Amino acid sequence: AQSVTQLGSHVSVSEGALVLLRCNYSSSVPPYLFWYVQYPNQGLQLLLKYTSAATLVKGINGFEAEFKKSETSFHLTKPSAHMSDAAEYFCAVTTFDEKLTFGTGTRLTIIP
Amino acid sequence: DAEITQSPRHKITETGRQVTLACHQTWNHNNMFWYRQDLGHGLRLIHYSYGVQDTNKGEVSDGYSVSRSNTEDLPLTLESAASSQTSVYFCASSSGIPGELFFGEGSRLTVL
Repeated sequence: AQSVTQLGSHVSVSEGALVLLRCNYSSSVPPYLFWYVQYPNQGLQLLLKYTSAATLVKGINGFEAEFKKSETSFHLTKPSAHMSDAAEYFCAVTTFDEKLTFGTGTRLTIIP
Repeated sequence: DAEITQSPRHKITETGRQVTLACHQTWNHNNMFWYRQDLGHGLRLIHYSYGVQDTNKGEVSDGYSVSRSNTEDLPLTLESAASSQTSVYFCASSSGIPGELFFGEGSRLTVL
């Protein structure tokens, strides 16, 4: 069985500062890893994914994530936060059966 | 444009009543999923379907049922609503690419 752990249920950063959202995974087989974003009162949408190709993955809106097998991590970063980045972010994992297992989420607040 | 719609978006019901949440997608996706979202738990899988007449139990299926009579629809039924089923419910569909889900906007259910 696979799982993900998101460290920090709430993260606040100043506008223009680095965004770092942490995710660690557990999987007995090579995983597929994802970040999804949820804006207020909306469903989730895919931000980026890792599927065993390049370890540094770029997504929409300037976000990227790096797969580090030695650390079992898939942290999400963005060099410069924008007010529109305020949302809840979910890390998720699956293997080959397509059933996604989600983390508990991290709410990102941007301070003007 | 193809989309996935959920109805109702908001519902209040009483303990013991039967409730059905509708999910309709026009992507022509074979795979459909129901998740519930609760604070501190992230999203948890309730039921899923890989095609017409196929249904499977997820992590938190007790008290819920689904049926799949066509490609477009996967209604979720709560046979006898309980207060513990107060939650936000999300339907999602997928073309079969692992982990790439398209979500509806959610149905907020309150059981009094």
